[in-house]
Amino acid sequence: EAGVAQSPRYKIIEKRQSVAFWCNPISGHATLYWYQQILGQGPKLLIQFQNNGVVDDSQLPKDRFSAERLKGVDSTLKIQPAKLEDSAVYLCASRPDRDGGETQYFGPGTRLLVL
Amino acid sequence: GQSLEQPSEVTAVEGAIVQINCTYQTSGFYGLSWYQQHDGGAPTFLSYNALDGLEETGRFSSFLSRSDSYGYLLLQELQMKDSASYFCAKGGTYKYIFGTGTRLKVLA
Repeated sequence: EAGVAQSPRYKIIEKRQSVAFWCNPISGHATLYWYQQILGQGPKLLIQFQNNGVVDDSQLPKDRFSAERLKGVDSTLKIQPAKLEDSAVYLCASRPDRDGGETQYFGPGTRLLVL
Repeated sequence: GQSLEQPSEVTAVEGAIVQINCTYQTSGFYGLSWYQQHDGGAPTFLSYNALDGLEETGRFSSFLSRSDSYGYLLLQELQMKDSASYFCAKGGTYKYIFGTGTRLKVLA
């Protein structure tokens, strides 16, 4: 079974530029999460999708971050414009369904450096 | 606010037993999960406690006490490959929150 795929793996941009990350969850997984992990900290949930609907986006900085999950499969996370403090690893995770157990399966992450 | 607090760092020798604690203040608590993350890697799921008590999975055990808002991860027969960061997380369907993380160093 293929794992969660993310691209790109690394990205370096200048502040005020835009960037987009892509995630393809494990086939059949209804729930998809985007996390931001700053060096030395735990992952912070940005947004959670159930199929193509948003379950929780309370910690998403909506003035600059946006995310979508068209057709309930893959998802994109966008930052526009980027700030220095957005430098972090952006992790995507998926889970089978709401009652399919507790395990979240994480992708390798995208390491973003904002200069 | 909601938070899960962990010690920042723990050091132990190979073959020993180590306990990583997690105290939490959250609403809508459904259970406690534990994840392992090696440097540069992605978090991987270790265990989940939905109910009070001890859950055992091989060398790893996890404990939860809802009345004390407390849990821990117990690692036995430590191996060098166990050197990693460990995170507790408030489980449930949504409002997922990770703890501050504990960096475990295993010495030869």
